[in-house]
Amino acid sequence: DAKTTQPPSMDCAEGRAANLPCNHSTISGNEYVYWYRQIHSQGPQYIIHGLKNNETNEMASLIITEDRKSSTLILPHATLRDTAVYYCIVRRTGTASKLTFGTGTRLQVTL
Amino acid sequence: NAGVTQTPKFRILKIGQSMTLQCAQDMNHNYMYWYRQDPGMGLKLIYYSVGAGITDKGEVPNGYNVSRSTTEDFPLRLELAAPSQTSVYFCASSWDRAAGELFFGEGSRLTVL
Repeated sequence: DAKTTQPPSMDCAEGRAANLPCNHSTISGNEYVYWYRQIHSQGPQYIIHGLKNNETNEMASLIITEDRKSSTLILPHATLRDTAVYYCIVRRTGTASKLTFGTGTRLQVTL
Repeated sequence: NAGVTQTPKFRILKIGQSMTLQCAQDMNHNYMYWYRQDPGMGLKLIYYSVGAGITDKGEVPNGYNVSRSTTEDFPLRLELAAPSQTSVYFCASSWDRAAGELFFGEGSRLTVL
């Protein structure tokens, strides 16, 4: 599975959009991009995933560049409860769902 | 649905002791996983199972054993606890091999002294 690179930390003001970048320059054609988050010491929570089209759900939007070498997770109106570590993960299709978690981006939402 | 339930939530062990971390899911998921997370680090896969009676090693299986006798349960056994096994352990499950959405339990915090 392709390796991902994320900034170690980011800040965002409450009510503003949080844009979390992820670089996956070695991604191959059958690999999906997944985003999870971990609030405090809880178990990770699935947010969203995509292959090449942009995706949106009730939690967030995922923007994948045309060459698929990077992506951005967007939380449109960040709240204090969105403070968490966000993990960007790339996984091949057709495999057991062995997601490889790196160290992620620690997002701090402030007043 | 309770989702994924882990017990115990906290445990302190002495070096050399053994214990079992329990994990149960009520979503009828075929796939189950055990991860560990050391302070400030990401999650590392210990073992996983693709169905009852089938288990396989992940990245860091040494010092652990698993079994999967039913679809619902996936216990993790530590035979001879070592300080290096001090960690938070997360159990997860998913529907099938294509699904990337894993459902995680709340974690079990283990300290080995």
